This record gives sequence, structure tokens and C-alpha cells, in this order.
Amino acid sequence: SAVISQKPSRDICQRGTSLTIQCQVDSQVTMMFWYRQQPGQSLTLIATANQGSEATYESGFVIDKFPISRPNLTFSTLTVSNMSPEDSSIYLCSAIDPGPGQFFGPGTRLTVL
Amino acid sequence: AQRVTQPEKLLSVFKGAPVELKCNYSYSGSPELFWYVQYSRQRLQLLLRHISRESIKGFTADLNKGETSFHLKKPFAQEEDSAMYYCALTGQAGTALIFGKGTTLSVSS
Repeated sequence: SAVISQKPSRDICQRGTSLTIQCQVDSQVTMMFWYRQQPGQSLTLIATANQGSEATYESGFVIDKFPISRPNLTFSTLTVSNMSPEDSSIYLCSAIDPGPGQFFGPGTRLTVL
Repeated sequence: AQRVTQPEKLLSVFKGAPVELKCNYSYSGSPELFWYVQYSRQRLQLLLRHISRESIKGFTADLNKGETSFHLKKPFAQEEDSAMYYCALTGQAGTALIFGKGTTLSVSS
């Protein structure tokens, strides 16, 4: 089945800066998603990354804070903008493969100081 | 509201004991239910989906629509089953998952 890679795997950033996380799938997929997993919490959907159009954001998440790109069927980026310590979290990329279903990347562990 | 509830944050059992990880859901419609597992230092991976009705690593889960539950069971726990388990649902194929808060299963000898 398909595999997702994410870069970077972890980063430590200063408040007020931005970080872009890359998600690469080794085969074409129709649906890609970005989730956040805060310390001790479950996974929360940030947005659906739509190929060739603007992402669809969940309640509580906005494009100015979490801009997302999806230029093709295998790649997406999530930017965490103007970071604060509350953004410290694991950010997960996922995709849907018609056979196996929804599968996940290894995550990006972000710490904001 | 769409919601997945896993009432136990931690479940500790001895090797060879039966295991049941509870999952209840709230959804207006016919959802598809899943169990995902995350072993230490590994990525989240699919364990079971209710439409498959299969047993993976000795685990089974039956969808009970009357009780809106999808509990995960294994008759004899192994130490390698120690992991975080998440119950999740989706309303229709191709849409994102809604996750429960997860249950840590700890199996000791």
C-alpha cells in the first residue's frame, strides 16, 4: 500500500515565526488531510487539502493561520504561521487509498518556544 | 453531534488475560467504524474496519448499532499488544475520520 513521508520530522521554533511541513505520498491519492495532535489529546482535523483549489478548514482553524497547498495528487504542505507555544503539537498528514482506507504519515513534532 | 467516546484512558492487563477496549459513537446516519493502533515510536496504522469483519492480530470488533458501540476485543493479550488504540468513524467514504481520545493498553507479564 501507499506510504506517506513528512518533512521535517521535528523542529523547535521561536514564537512569531512560521514553519512549513511537507507531505509526500508515493502514489496518487484523491483525498489528503491534515490533523493536529496536541500533547495528551486525540487527533483533530485541521483541514482537507483539495487538489487545485483552496483547502476546506474545520471549525476553529483558519487559512491565515494554517495555509495549505496541494499542487498535485501526491504532495501537500501545511504552514503554521505566526507561531505561539500553544501551537506546539504533532502535525499529521493523511491520505485515502481506496483499498486500505485512510493512512497516516509519521508526523511532525513541533515545539514553539 | 458526531462524536467518538473511549471511556478508558488506560487499560492495564496481564499477559494471557482477555482485553476489551470500549468505544461508543454518536452519529446521525450509518457511519463506518475503525480501530487504529499506534505502537511506540511508530506511525498510526489501521487495525480493523467494521465492514471487513476480519480478525487482525487476534483482535475483533463488532458493530452494535443498537448500543452504538464498536468495542475491540482479544481473548488472550500479549505483551506486544501494548500500544495506544484509537476508535474512529467516518460518515461516508472519502471523508476525514473523527477520532476518540484513545486508550493506552498496557500488557505486563
